Amino acid sequence: EAGVAQSPRYKIIEKRQSVAFWCNPISGHATLYWYQQILGQGPKLLIQFQNNGVVDDSQLPKDRFSAERLKGVDSTLKIQPAKLEDSAVYLCASSLVAEEQFFGPGTRLTVL
Amino acid sequence: GESVGLHLPTLSVQEGDNSIINCAYSNSASDYFIWYKQESGKGPQFIIDIRSNMDKRQGQRVTVLLNKTVKHLSLQIAATQPGDSAVYFCAERIHFGNEKLTFGTGTRLTIIP
Repeated sequence: EAGVAQSPRYKIIEKRQSVAFWCNPISGHATLYWYQQILGQGPKLLIQFQNNGVVDDSQLPKDRFSAERLKGVDSTLKIQPAKLEDSAVYLCASSLVAEEQFFGPGTRLTVL
Repeated sequence: GESVGLHLPTLSVQEGDNSIINCAYSNSASDYFIWYKQESGKGPQFIIDIRSNMDKRQGQRVTVLLNKTVKHLSLQIAATQPGDSAVYFCAERIHFGNEKLTFGTGTRLTIIP
């Protein structure tokens, strides 16, 4: 079975620019997660979707970050405008059952 | 607040030896724990999990031990191989039905040939 797909794999932007990441979860997985992983740290949940509804976005910096999952499948995460501290790997994960989350390879963002 | 932490940030083990990676958690309400392996440039990969009503679970070459008295979790890897070199994270889930995981900082395991 195909895994979680993410693109792009790498992105370099200047501060105050905008950026968007795309995620295609494993087919049939209703739950989708976006995590931010800063270098040397564990992943931190930004937002969780159940189908196309938001379950938890308590740690999403809503003044600059937004995410959507319009048709309950693919999802995009946007940062506008980016700050230096947004440099991190952005991981997408999906799950069929509560316990097992499958992670994509991530998008490494560098903000200069 | 709730947190998951690891005792050692790095660990070097001779190939063929056993390794033990430790994790402390602070929330006694956590009911489910997972160990993930993350290789360079990849996303975390599920290794093994354990529920709070268990104290030990075994997989292929891996064993997870849970000590709820001291809020401690460990991952034992038997007969380590070069492919075991990675960063290992423990994660906890606080409430059943809430799939939100809280990850620790991670331990980098290096296998010495």
